[in-house]
Amino acid sequence: ETAVFQTPNYHVTQVGNEVSFNCKQTLGHDTMYWYKQDSKKLLKIMFSYNNKQLIVNETVPRRFSPQSSDKAHLNLRIKSVEPEDSAVYLCASSSDWGGYAEQFFGPGTRLTVL
Amino acid sequence: GDSVTQTEGPVTLSEGTSLTVNCSYETKQYPTLFWYVQYPGEGPQLLFKVPKANEKGSNRGFEATYNKEATSFHLQKASVQESDSAVYYCALSDNGTGGYKVVFGSGTRLLVSP
Repeated sequence: ETAVFQTPNYHVTQVGNEVSFNCKQTLGHDTMYWYKQDSKKLLKIMFSYNNKQLIVNETVPRRFSPQSSDKAHLNLRIKSVEPEDSAVYLCASSSDWGGYAEQFFGPGTRLTVL
Repeated sequence: GDSVTQTEGPVTLSEGTSLTVNCSYETKQYPTLFWYVQYPGEGPQLLFKVPKANEKGSNRGFEATYNKEATSFHLQKASVQESDSAVYYCALSDNGTGGYKVVFGSGTRLLVSP
């Protein structure tokens, strides 16, 4: 099956803890993204990578760091989570880093910070 | 910076009625325009995209025309079904100072009752 896979589906943690989310795509794409979707369904890009190189880094707190081991994987680490980090984190990939191609999204990881 | 503004939801309709979700955009570039749809528990998926001004995109009975003069890309469907209940995002591709990325509108939740 070719798609975008994310783990875990859900994660509940306490303020100050570190969390990591995994994303893998089997579509053969070179470009991958992380988005944050808040409770009002606002969708904001956080990072994008093309062939393991960071190409977009929006203004996000420094406690967020993407990690890419190869072009099929893009993980997200949050060091010392805050309550405002509660959201759904969506991973996506596309065949074109220029933003013109369709983006394929995973199902998301829902983070709840207590 | 670039922005997308769309109809604030929720939009509540009965099956068989017509739908219009307004989308207006601001950009200094010549963007590709997209409509994405997100069903509950899933990531967004492309409904259709239109790369050129004055062209129309369509899929599953939905359609929108890229109106460069009015900077609009309104989504329409003549007769909605209960299965169309979802969140709809208008989006544009952008080549900003941080590199290429897609800018999403705030999303419009559509609720269709039988």
